[in-house]
Amino acid sequence: SAVISQKPSRDICQRGTSLTIQCQVDSQVTMMFWYRQQPGQSLTLIATANQGSEATYESGFVIDKFPISRPNLTFSTLTVSNMSPEDSSIYLCSTILAPTYEQYFGPGTRLTVT
Amino acid sequence: QQPVQSPQAVILREGEDAVINCSSSKALYSVHWYRQKHGEAPVFLMILLKGGEQKGHEKISASFNEKKQQSSLYLTASQLSYSGTYFCGSSRGAGSYQLTFGKGTKLSVIP
Repeated sequence: SAVISQKPSRDICQRGTSLTIQCQVDSQVTMMFWYRQQPGQSLTLIATANQGSEATYESGFVIDKFPISRPNLTFSTLTVSNMSPEDSSIYLCSTILAPTYEQYFGPGTRLTVT
Repeated sequence: QQPVQSPQAVILREGEDAVINCSSSKALYSVHWYRQKHGEAPVFLMILLKGGEQKGHEKISASFNEKKQQSSLYLTASQLSYSGTYFCGSSRGAGSYQLTFGKGTKLSVIP
């Protein structure tokens, strides 16, 4: 399995500001993913982050709004830019382990935008 | 395409059994099952990679019927700790690691 940590665990931010969420994995991994989960809802994939290449964004998510960095094989950041109340959600990072393809999630960052 | 889970919610008494289904109108290439408790991250349960595969550990098992484009999660002799929301995730295609999750099934086990 993989142990994933995220910072911050929660934050309350003002409209128009930006927040950067950090994700750390306890082992080197090729692929990392960022998800969003509204309270009581399912998980929606935002983007896939591979080390050494640009992140790949899902439909409805753009790089200007959710810039992602992947500087090495154990770390990634997601920035939520120019926030609005609609961005209030839980943001989770995850990774997939080879060769089993098991996917593990971090504890999430609960973001509230006022 | 988002897989469809059924039922949306179920209440069990301790010791009862439950089945949660995950189906798709398109081909399912692999199915991943997770349990999420309130305020916590989803926890990996198991992955089924090919049709006909069945897996299980302890009292939780799953099957994958590729032809029917369906997977089922079986919970037997339920315990209070089984309570939570169960999600199935399906991969986008052969060799794809990106998952699309169903809306979840809320399972409540009561004494």
